[in-house]
Amino acid sequence: SQGLTQPPSVSVSPGQTASVTCSGDKLADKYVCWYQQKPGQSPVLVIYQDSRRPSGIPARFSGSNSGNTATLTISGTQATDEADYYCQTWDRSTGIFGTGTKVTVL
Amino acid sequence: EVQLVEAGGGLVQPGGSLRLSCAASGFTFNFYNMNWVRQAPGKGLEWVSFISGSSSNVFYSDSVKGRFTISRDNAKDSLFLQMNSLRAEDTAVYFCARAVEMATIGDNWGQGTLVTVSS
Repeated sequence: SQGLTQPPSVSVSPGQTASVTCSGDKLADKYVCWYQQKPGQSPVLVIYQDSRRPSGIPARFSGSNSGNTATLTISGTQATDEADYYCQTWDRSTGIFGTGTKVTVL
Repeated sequence: EVQLVEAGGGLVQPGGSLRLSCAASGFTFNFYNMNWVRQAPGKGLEWVSFISGSSSNVFYSDSVKGRFTISRDNAKDSLFLQMNSLRAEDTAVYFCARAVEMATIGDNWGQGTLVTVSS
């Protein structure tokens, strides 16, 4: 099964835009979702089916998926968005998580 | 309110066995596919296993295939993971997760239970 590669870290200033990428072979042929995980907490789904937001997730979170890369975008980043973010997809009958990205709000 | 509560973690010797459980509430359990996901200390998320609502489909990661068995009891709103032949590399927090939307692993997650494999 394929792997999903993310940058280890992304830094962003408060109020600015953070972009987290997720790379995998022909990723656009699959649905991608994104999870946020804060230290000591369980993951929270923030984007599903490439670009849909679950109820209760702020509109500043958005997603896209094209070619070999899916992207999570956090617009107007807040201090509370500091967390680890993981992309996820399925390859045949195997669940796959990305390597994870630590987003730091400086 | 959806609740998932894992139990059964603990310290076990290499080669030993452990059975995790996940008690579900706040939704119609048999309607939903469920997954187990683990996270080794300081590491990322790793999918472990999937079971469909009726138990007709089960899948495993290559790292646990042949050693772990996922099951569910819809009458008791419970999910299980039987873990045999445990190895040091199985040490992790194990989460149960409910899949709601297409292609997600976990729209809802439990708090996790820690499994430590060590002599």
